[in-house]
Amino acid sequence: GQQVMQIPQYQHVQEGEDFTTYCNSSTTLSNIQWYKQRPGGHPVFLIQLVKSGEVKKQKRLTFQFGEAKKNSSLHITATQTTDVGTYFCAYTGTASKLTFGTGTRLQVTL
Amino acid sequence: NAGVTQTPKFRVLKTGQSMTLLCAQDMNHEYMYWYRQDPGMGLRLIHYSVGEGTTAKGEVPDGYNVSRLKKQNFLLGLESAAPSQTSVYFCASSTGTGKNIQYFGAGTRLSVL
Repeated sequence: GQQVMQIPQYQHVQEGEDFTTYCNSSTTLSNIQWYKQRPGGHPVFLIQLVKSGEVKKQKRLTFQFGEAKKNSSLHITATQTTDVGTYFCAYTGTASKLTFGTGTRLQVTL
Repeated sequence: NAGVTQTPKFRVLKTGQSMTLLCAQDMNHEYMYWYRQDPGMGLRLIHYSVGEGTTAKGEVPDGYNVSRLKKQNFLLGLESAAPSQTSVYFCASSTGTGKNIQYFGAGTRLSVL
């Protein structure tokens, strides 16, 4: 299947700073999903984007799907320690299988 | 509402031993999946099932077998464990339609010595 690259692999921010992770594909994606995994936990669904150029917000989180449907981003405004974890993008392929990106691990310190 | 339950939570095996990981979901989902998660490699699909009695290979199926005899259960078997199978294993389920959100179990940490 298509590969999705996520950057950065790791980011360490001070509480209150903003954070962005990017998900890039070499081919057009039908949709993109974002999941969050807390340390020691399991992935939890955050959102799905389907339309070209789509932007969705969940409180301090802003999700975007690129115009060409080849990239996506997750932006967190004013990070908090509760935002710590690994953020994965994923896309749905055949048989509703998800292919996950490699993830971005976010560390937030006071 | 339990969601997706995985047993056991932890296991240590010796090379060559066999074991079965059990996944149970109470959401009446058609689709179920087994992933492994290794540092820096995200989640990789091992096997999946689109309904009772069906299974299919994912991205990394070698060394694993699965069965879906009942809709609510999806078993992952390791016939002869190898150190390369040391990983965290996650089971997930979904409706297979619409948004197709995947719901994950808490995971099984497996070490093969």
